[in-house]
Amino acid sequence: AQKVTQAQTEISVVEKEDVTLDCVYETRDTTYYLFWYKQPPSGELVFLIRRNSFDEQNEISGRYSWNFQKSTSSFNFTITASQVVDSAVYFCALSEARDNYGQNFVFGPGTRLSVLP
Amino acid sequence: KAGVTQTPRYLIKTRGQQVTLSCSPISGHRSVSWYQQTPGQGLQFLFEYFSETQRNKGNFPGRFSGRQFSNSRSEMNVSTLELGDSALYLCASSLPGGGHEQFFGPGTRLTVL
Repeated sequence: AQKVTQAQTEISVVEKEDVTLDCVYETRDTTYYLFWYKQPPSGELVFLIRRNSFDEQNEISGRYSWNFQKSTSSFNFTITASQVVDSAVYFCALSEARDNYGQNFVFGPGTRLSVLP
Repeated sequence: KAGVTQTPRYLIKTRGQQVTLSCSPISGHRSVSWYQQTPGQGLQFLFEYFSETQRNKGNFPGRFSGRQFSNSRSEMNVSTLELGDSALYLCASSLPGGGHEQFFGPGTRLTVL
């Protein structure tokens, strides 16, 4: 069965510090997809990134970067030079395709990040 | 493109009542999923619809049901409400099939008294 673990329940950092959010997943499929979402205090989940299991290239988008390592089943997310606006709950998610056009989408428990001024 | 919309945004009901929540997906998205979010249980998958058919179902009692219309809009219904059903209900839309990112609506916050 698929599972996503985010061991860090809450993290507090001071503005401008770098912070890494950990994500470890379990799946038996060889084809799967990984996601990160941000949920700010307003409540709406915002899509950040998607990776498929065949693409282990790391990705950088501005202050955000993602490190995907199949060998350790991890998909970690780093925010460089954190800002107060980064304060949110961050969710890692795993998706596996199903034959009936559906997908098993499983979310981790989330990590609450507080960036203090 | 307009995002995912959910109505109503807030609901207050009493135990034993039933409730219907509505979700309009992003134009062109034919897959709609529903999630329940509570502080204690996190984000839990309820069900997924594509082409008016339920494709996937989470581990929730039969009091939770849903449907999808030909225009891809979806509704979920909770009957015989219990206090524990108080939660944020989130709808997400995506292209059908595996690997597509889901885009979420703002949610409906349901309070059961």
